Amino acid sequence: QKEVEQNSGPLSVPEGAIASLNCTYSDRGSQSFFWYRQYSGKSPELIMFIYSNGDKEDGRFTAQLNKASQYVSLLIRDSQPSDSATYLCAVNKLGGYQKVTFGTGTKLQVIP
Amino acid sequence: DGGITQSPKYLFRKEGQNVTLSCEQNLNHDAMYWYRQDPGQGLRLIYYSQIVNDFQKGDIAEGYSVSREKKESFPLTVTSAQKNPTAFYLCASSQGTGVTEAFFGQGTRLTVV
Repeated sequence: QKEVEQNSGPLSVPEGAIASLNCTYSDRGSQSFFWYRQYSGKSPELIMFIYSNGDKEDGRFTAQLNKASQYVSLLIRDSQPSDSATYLCAVNKLGGYQKVTFGTGTKLQVIP
Repeated sequence: DGGITQSPKYLFRKEGQNVTLSCEQNLNHDAMYWYRQDPGQGLRLIYYSQIVNDFQKGDIAEGYSVSREKKESFPLTVTSAQKNPTAFYLCASSQGTGVTEAFFGQGTRLTVV
């Protein structure tokens, strides 16, 4: 079982719709969760992070965390063609030396 | 400015040669990572280091080697044993303790000619 799993996609949504990206993780000791966006040929950039169960909103983005079910999701409202990219989920845990673990990413295509 | 610097941005290697990719950070981070990314694919972990003078193999370490002699530096050597080295290589770092995200360098695109 992979430590962090994501559907590779592509996930296609029409412009203006809500895009929903999901991620599951295997280590119950994971404490912090991150969403990165990566455009083709570029480095990943951090979009959001979440530590507590529930929702966290930032503009058009909402991160959702459910530790009991070990999943984290990212919702993108009013999707724009500029949102077309690969979205990477990453997890980290407290205690001892740190290791951030990434999923392989979900490719999102927003259709104009 | 604090950040991670990878060099070179583009690198060409002849078959049978070893090449070394540089990664330097001035963020005072303890942990550093190397990832490989093939076209249209996700990140795959090659090696990571959580502290100076220590490093661990990731999922695809064969044909690669690393060193961590200094906190700020984590060079990656692509050896001739790596049969298909053409890829985009990303270096990242994160704080050794506490809860922080990983920061990435701009990447090195390696091509075998």
